[in-house]
Amino acid sequence: GAVVSQHPSWVICKSGTSVKIECRSLDFQATTMFWYRQFPKQSLMLMATSNEGSKATYEQGVEKDKFLINHASLTLSTLTVTSAHPEDSSFYICSARDYRRYSGGFSTYNEQFFGPGTRLTVL
Amino acid sequence: QKEVEQNSGPLSVPEGAIASLNCTYSDRGSQSFFWYRQYSGKSPELIMFIYSNGDKEDGRFTAQLNKASQYVSLLIRDSQPSDSATYLCAVNIGYSTLTFGKGTMLLVSP
Repeated sequence: GAVVSQHPSWVICKSGTSVKIECRSLDFQATTMFWYRQFPKQSLMLMATSNEGSKATYEQGVEKDKFLINHASLTLSTLTVTSAHPEDSSFYICSARDYRRYSGGFSTYNEQFFGPGTRLTVL
Repeated sequence: QKEVEQNSGPLSVPEGAIASLNCTYSDRGSQSFFWYRQYSGKSPELIMFIYSNGDKEDGRFTAQLNKASQYVSLLIRDSQPSDSATYLCAVNIGYSTLTFGKGTMLLVSP
């Protein structure tokens, strides 16, 4: 259980184009998904928190108009990198929190399950 | 501001030895603690979590938590070359987002 998929696994695009990355929870419902970015040999950087049915919460310094997030269902969140530039080339990883674990109320657990990541290269 | 500190390594151990990975955190309100393993070029994989003081064992892995010292560790017994990866420590308060450390690179030599 707790499987998260991402599509595509890698993408190469020209500067100025937009790229959409999908994140799906395959065997559980995820009211909350997270989008991270990781540059080579760097740590994970949280970009935004995606909540089903509401607007995403962006971390400081992340441009919400450039990185569009949509969480239309309990199993799907999408990240669109608009007008991509070479500096946007990175490894984008989503994670999802298992809603069922919290259906009985507040829990101190907060396991996040990561998708396999999408490697974006902007030429 | 919440901070999670890890030695970047690399930590080198011979095959069969015990690898000890350490993590400290700054926020005393942190409630849940997680260890993830990340192979080069791959996304993180959850190894285990702990939220009570003491030890928690799962196979060759043991997580240790000391909230008074704000310290969490991961022991890997009988280390294998396949354990060579970067190990990320993460903490959270309640329902908040996870704060990740920068990770410790572990190298297990045959």
